[in-house]
Amino acid sequence: AQSVAQPEDQVNVAEGNPLTVKCTYSVSGNPYLFWYVQYPNRGLQFLLKYITGDNLVKGSYGFEAEFNKSQTSFHLKKPSALVSDSALYFCAVRDRADDKIIFGKGTRLHILP
Amino acid sequence: ETGVTQSPTHLIKTRGQQVTLRCSSQSGHNTVSWYQQALGQGPQFIFQYYREEENGRGNFPPRFSGLQFPNYSSELNVNALELDDSALYLCASSFGRGKGTDTQYFGPGTRLTVL
Repeated sequence: AQSVAQPEDQVNVAEGNPLTVKCTYSVSGNPYLFWYVQYPNRGLQFLLKYITGDNLVKGSYGFEAEFNKSQTSFHLKKPSALVSDSALYFCAVRDRADDKIIFGKGTRLHILP
Repeated sequence: ETGVTQSPTHLIKTRGQQVTLRCSSQSGHNTVSWYQQALGQGPQFIFQYYREEENGRGNFPPRFSGLQFPNYSSELNVNALELDDSALYLCASSFGRGKGTDTQYFGPGTRLTVL
């Protein structure tokens, strides 16, 4: 069965520092991977996705994510954090075999001024 | 381009009642998916509609049902409400059959409270 793990409930980063939000996955076949962000009282906003090809995917708002097949990870990164990046971040995986999309529990990112 | 909209924003019901939530998909999208997001959890897939047909379902009981209309808007109906149904209900639209590489775009959600 496919699954997604976001091992950190919360990540604190000082403004201007690089940030990483971790995600690992388990699927039977090859995955499609997604990152979404949720601001308070808002729905999820799409950030980026990995389909195939280059392991480094660039997305919205300066975010990027690195697909690592051997470690089954898809960590979200940003070189320089902004206070406005503070939000809840969700990793999601879709197994190409059965197309179900599974979300992680989310990681709350706090950027400290 | 119009984004995904949902109504109502908030809803309070009592156990045993029935509720209908509504979603208008983003312009040009023909697939709608519904998710339940309990407090502190990630969204859980309820079901998906593609061109008015159910196109996949998660582990939710039959009292969760839905419809998609010719204009691709959608309804989620929940019968015999239980306290555990209290959650944020998210609608997402996409173009295509909602499979594979399709990106889903989410609405702001409906907050349902069951007392």
